[in-house]
Amino acid sequence: DAKTTQPNSMESNEEEPVHLPCNHSTISGTDYIHWYRQLPSQGPEYVIHGLTSNVNNRMASLAIAEDRKSSTLILHRATLRDAAVYYCILRANLLIQGAQKLVFGQGTRLTINP
Amino acid sequence: DAGITQSPRHKVTETGTPVTLRCHQTENHRYMYWYRQDPGHGLRLIHYSYGVKDTDKGEVSDGYSVSRSKTEDFLLTLESATSSQTSVYFCAISETGQSYEQYFGPGTRLTVT
Repeated sequence: DAKTTQPNSMESNEEEPVHLPCNHSTISGTDYIHWYRQLPSQGPEYVIHGLTSNVNNRMASLAIAEDRKSSTLILHRATLRDAAVYYCILRANLLIQGAQKLVFGQGTRLTINP
Repeated sequence: DAGITQSPRHKVTETGTPVTLRCHQTENHRYMYWYRQDPGHGLRLIHYSYGVKDTDKGEVSDGYSVSRSKTEDFLLTLESATSSQTSVYFCAISETGQSYEQYFGPGTRLTVT
């Protein structure tokens, strides 16, 4: 499985933008880049995904480098509820009949200061 | 929110006893997964299912078995619990192989003493 590297922790202030980086230098051409987050005492939650182009949704934006070896999750205006562990994951088709494996690393623990 | 429940939510058991964890979904999704989460390891896939009675092993399947007799239920069994299986267990579902999202349940915290 291709690996991702993220900072262990980051800190930001409420209502400011947050840029969460992820390096994935061994990404293959068919790997999708996914971001999930895990709030305290909850299961992971899908945030966004992309393949080559930048993506936006109601939760965040995903900026993907042209060579696809890195990506950045952007929270445009952080709130206290965005405090969580953010996981950058390369989704590869792995399993029988199309089931897919998500390989979670350690993620980045994001702290939001009021 | 996707309709996924896990039971029990917390369990303490003794070494050597069998334990069964249940994942129940109301979404009629085809794929179901069991992960465990431990400090320093992130989430790791234990077993998964791609249909009723169709299951296969993930990366940390030793000591675990699963069953799926109907679409909505995916059971994880620890045949003889060990202290190394103390963990938080998450169930996830996805609709199709090309689904962009896996939806996770709230987790079961299992302690083996």
